[in-house]
Amino acid sequence: GGIITQTPKFLIGQEGQKLTLKCQQNFNHDTMYWYRQDSGKGLRLIYYSITENDLQKGDLSEGYDASREKKSSFSLTVTSAQKNEMAVFLCASSIDRANSDYTFGSGTRLLVI
Amino acid sequence: AQKVTQTQTSISVMEKTTVTMDCVYETQDSSYFLFWYKQTASGEIVFLIRQDSYKKENATVGHYSLNFQKPKSSIGLIITATQIEDSAVYFCAMRENNNRIFFGDGTQLVVKP
Repeated sequence: GGIITQTPKFLIGQEGQKLTLKCQQNFNHDTMYWYRQDSGKGLRLIYYSITENDLQKGDLSEGYDASREKKSSFSLTVTSAQKNEMAVFLCASSIDRANSDYTFGSGTRLLVI
Repeated sequence: AQKVTQTQTSISVMEKTTVTMDCVYETQDSSYFLFWYKQTASGEIVFLIRQDSYKKENATVGHYSLNFQKPKSSIGLIITATQIEDSAVYFCAMRENNNRIFFGDGTQLVVKP
């Protein structure tokens, strides 16, 4: 079985700081996703990538950059952390097939002080 | 407009009973796929069950089953013989003919002993 790994698990940043979150998967999945989840809320799509070097904006892309340099990895950068921001960032991957479900990572919990 | 809507924010049931969680969706596609995911207290999100829109038969996996009412754009999740471990947040999701899955805001299920 494969695994999808997010690093770091916890991230504390300062206001205005650029912060990078990483995601690796060994399923050989084509498509990877970054979602943001605020406390008690649903998942909002930030960026996704259907193949190496591809990037597609989601509903919440402003304030973020993403990079897919290898098929197995997808990184997300918070370009300027907002004070008191607190959220969980979830990475997911799937086969490029319409009936394919997602496999999720365990998340990166961000706190900006 | 939200593509996937879960109107129940929280449900509380007694152990060993049956619970139904509601979900309605919105799409123009003739073929689409509907999913339910479970998020545990640790934050882990796991795929539970899928319904293909072209299938009339309701999907069933273990003690999870779906109530698919296509004319109403509705896909309810039914959990029979609930257990304490079923306490979690349940997300309904829809995938159209692109690579994106749209998620609802989730329903929190509390199973009491």
